[in-house]
Amino acid sequence: SQTIHQWPATLVQPVGSPLSLECTVEGTSNPNLYWYRQAAGRGLQLLFYSVGIGQISSEVPQNLSASRPQDRQFILSSKKLLLSDSGFYLCAWSRDAQSRTATNEKLFFGSGTQLSVL
Amino acid sequence: LAKTTQPISMDSYEGQEVNITCSHNNIATNDYITWYQQFPSQGPRFIIQGYKTKVTNEVASLFIPADRKSSTLSLPRVSLSDTAVYYCLVGRPRQLTFGSGTQLTVLP
Repeated sequence: SQTIHQWPATLVQPVGSPLSLECTVEGTSNPNLYWYRQAAGRGLQLLFYSVGIGQISSEVPQNLSASRPQDRQFILSSKKLLLSDSGFYLCAWSRDAQSRTATNEKLFFGSGTQLSVL
Repeated sequence: LAKTTQPISMDSYEGQEVNITCSHNNIATNDYITWYQQFPSQGPRFIIQGYKTKVTNEVASLFIPADRKSSTLSLPRVSLSDTAVYYCLVGRPRQLTFGSGTQLTVLP
């Protein structure tokens, strides 16, 4: 079966410090990978997605970046954190499933990282 | 991109059936409809997915009318543990962002 690991669970960082969040998926190959951010009481905002090694699409301009150095590894980074970067960060994976009508995906999420920038 | 509209919140009592409707007037021909459940401080969990008519699994049912401009998630006999936020997504995840969802509160 497939599993997704995301760490750390909580993180408190000072403004201006760097960030590195890591996500790995087991039990599948060539997954689609996603990074989301959720502010308190809000919906999930798509930050980045990747359909393959080295292929990153950014949805929101910001001081964050993502990398996919290996097939099942997805990393979210920042060189200098801002107060506004605080939030709940979620990694997710999916596989394309082709049917006669369309291509559908089901997202499977990690347990998340609660980031507080002080 | 299909925009979705769903109620911000709903209350129900234990043992009742709950129906949450999502409107998606500009759904595309190749869009699937997917529902997720999220508890506080956890990632969303896939509940059910469908393209047309009715889909049922061990957790819920999904009703989709012929025009596919709306969908209804049906939770039979809810319990207190079903209190969560429910999200309706239309299309592929890379094309959209989760909305604020529907906060379902189940009361004793």
